[in-house]
Amino acid sequence: KNEVEQSPQNLTAQEGEFITINCSYSVGISALHWLQQHPGGGIVSLFMLSSGKKKHGRLIATINIQEKHSSLHITASHPRDSAVYICAVRSGTGNQFYFGTGTSLTVIP
Amino acid sequence: DGGITQSPKYLFRKEGQNVTLSCEQNLNHDAMYWYRQDPGQGLRLIYYSQIVNDFQKGDIAEGYSVSREKKESFPLTVTSAQKNPTAFYLCASKMSGGVNEQFFGPGTRLTVL
Repeated sequence: KNEVEQSPQNLTAQEGEFITINCSYSVGISALHWLQQHPGGGIVSLFMLSSGKKKHGRLIATINIQEKHSSLHITASHPRDSAVYICAVRSGTGNQFYFGTGTSLTVIP
Repeated sequence: DGGITQSPKYLFRKEGQNVTLSCEQNLNHDAMYWYRQDPGQGLRLIYYSQIVNDFQKGDIAEGYSVSREKKESFPLTVTSAQKNPTAFYLCASKMSGGVNEQFFGPGTRLTVL
C-alpha cells in the first residue's frame, strides 16, 4: 500500500468547470506538497502546506491533518491547466518525501 | 537565473553500458535528491545527499551510484547492474533544516536499447 493515495487517477473536464483532486496519506507528516508536471516532464511546486488552506490565483489547496487528507481545487479550469498533479508528503521524522501516483487532468476547450 | 539543470534531456544507451546523468544547482541548497519516475507509479527515491561528501540510499538504490564532491553537483550513474534502467529521472534540491520546498530539475529521459 502506498503511503500517499490520490484520486481520481484521470480526470477530463470542460473548460470553466470546477475541479477537485483528492489526496490521502497514511504517515505522519511535517508538510504536504502539491506539484504540477507538464507533458515535457518538468515539475513545478504549486503549494506547500501543513495546515488550513492556501490560495494562489485559481488554485486552492486545503489540508485536514486529523483526517490525513488534502484537496486541490481549480476554479474556472482552462486547457492550460492540463497536466499531471502530484501530491507529495514530507515525513515528520526525516527528509523523506512520499509521492502519489498523480492525477492526469485534461481540460477540453 | 537560479535553478536546477539536468542534462541531457534525452539519453539513449546500449544495454550493458554505464551512463551518468548530470544534475547541477545554483540555489545554494544543501540537500539533493535523485528520483525515478515510471508510468503509473509515484516518484521513487534512488539516492539523496544532505551535505557534500555524504549520501544515503533511497528505496531503489540497487544498480545506481552517486557522488557529491561539490555542493552544486550530484551526478547519478546508472550501472549495467540496474535491471530496468529505462525511465524518467528527476533531480531535486532543497535547503536543509525546517520544512523547505523541494525544487525539481527538468528531468532526463533515459532509454536503454
